[in-house]
Amino acid sequence: AQSVTQLGSHVSVSEGALVLLRCNYSSSVPPYLFWYVQYPNQGLQLLLKYTTGATLVKGINGFEAEFKKSETSFHLTKPSAHMSDAAEYFCAVSVSPSGGYQKVTFGTGTKLQVIP
Amino acid sequence: EPEVTQTPSHQVTQMGQEVILRCVPISNHLYFYWYRQILGQKVEFLVSFYNNEISEKSEIFDDQFSVERPDGSNFTLKIRSTKLEDSAMYFCASTGLAGGRGDEQFFGPGTRLTVL
Repeated sequence: AQSVTQLGSHVSVSEGALVLLRCNYSSSVPPYLFWYVQYPNQGLQLLLKYTTGATLVKGINGFEAEFKKSETSFHLTKPSAHMSDAAEYFCAVSVSPSGGYQKVTFGTGTKLQVIP
Repeated sequence: EPEVTQTPSHQVTQMGQEVILRCVPISNHLYFYWYRQILGQKVEFLVSFYNNEISEKSEIFDDQFSVERPDGSNFTLKIRSTKLEDSAMYFCASTGLAGGRGDEQFFGPGTRLTVL
């Protein structure tokens, strides 16, 4: 079975400061990893994903994440926070039990607050 | 850009009533999913569906739940006799032709179900 742990349910940063949202995973097979963002009362939007290849993945809105197998981590970063980044962020791992479909397991989410 | 749509955006019902949540996946997708997010909690997998059959379901998806693809475009989630604890945001998702682990799941905006 796979699982995802997000450290910190709430993170506050000042506008312009570094954003670091932590995610650790466990999976019995090589994982595919995702970060989703959810704005209030909205659906889930994919920020970025790691499948294979380069371990540093760049996504939308200036976010990036690095897959570190040895640390079983997939932390999300952004060099400079904007007010518009305030949202809830979910880390997720994907596995395909069989037959070509996939099941995504989500972390508990981290709410990012950006302070002016 | 193709998107997953869901109706209604908000459904209020009385305990014990049946509800049907509707989704229109992206037109050339073959794999469909329902997830649930209780307020303040993480997104949980309910069920996946492929080739007019359930591929996998979670423990949450008990006999009160059913899914159907009644025509070539809609994908529905039915709750036969709603309970207070069914109050949540329900997300529909779909994946494309390959359906592999790395495929992005495209999520709809969600239906907020409130059971009174």
